[in-house]
Amino acid sequence: EAGVVQSPRYKIIEKKQPVAFWCNPISGHNTLYWYRQNLGQGPELLIRYENEEAVDDSQLPKDRFSAERLKGVDSTLKIQPAELGDSAVYLCASSVRQGTTNEKLFFGSGTQLSVL
Amino acid sequence: AQKITQTQPGMFVQEKEAVTLDCTYDTSDPSYGLFWYKQPSSGEMIFLIYQGSYDQQNATEGRYSLNFQKARKSANLVISASQLGDSAMYFCAMREDDYKLSFGAGTTVTVRA
Repeated sequence: EAGVVQSPRYKIIEKKQPVAFWCNPISGHNTLYWYRQNLGQGPELLIRYENEEAVDDSQLPKDRFSAERLKGVDSTLKIQPAELGDSAVYLCASSVRQGTTNEKLFFGSGTQLSVL
Repeated sequence: AQKITQTQPGMFVQEKEAVTLDCTYDTSDPSYGLFWYKQPSSGEMIFLIYQGSYDQQNATEGRYSLNFQKARKSANLVISASQLGDSAMYFCAMREDDYKLSFGAGTTVTVRA
């Protein structure tokens, strides 16, 4: 069974340029997460989807970040325009929503973004 | 306030020996779950072990065990018989009733041959 797939693996852009990340979750997983991981730190949640609905985007900087999950499957995270401080690893995760504390997340390998 | 605290930025362990990674947490929810994830240099977060707040016994998964001390709010990970492939970053995480998974800052483990 394929895991969570993310692309690209690496992205280098100049500040003020737009960038987009793509995520394909595990088949059948209705919940999808985007996390940002700064160097030397743990991941921090940006947005969570249940099917195609964004149920928690409170941590998403909405002035420059946007996300969508069409048809409740693949998802795209966009930054426009990118700033130097956006350099980080962007992780996508998926799970089967259980409504319990033991819900296990499966992560992709992430997209490492460098903003110059 | 920090919900998950991992005080060990890095640790060295000899191959075949055991290592304990510390994790303390802060929550007022009676129901919560504690997780440990491994992140090798490839970047993917790999689930290792789970402990529920109502679980009476400490969780074990192969060479991984979780030393759960509820009164002290600690959930230390023990890796027994360390292997070279265990070299990675290890994250402790907690899920409360609001379903958010909060991560600690991580501990880097380096296994020496």
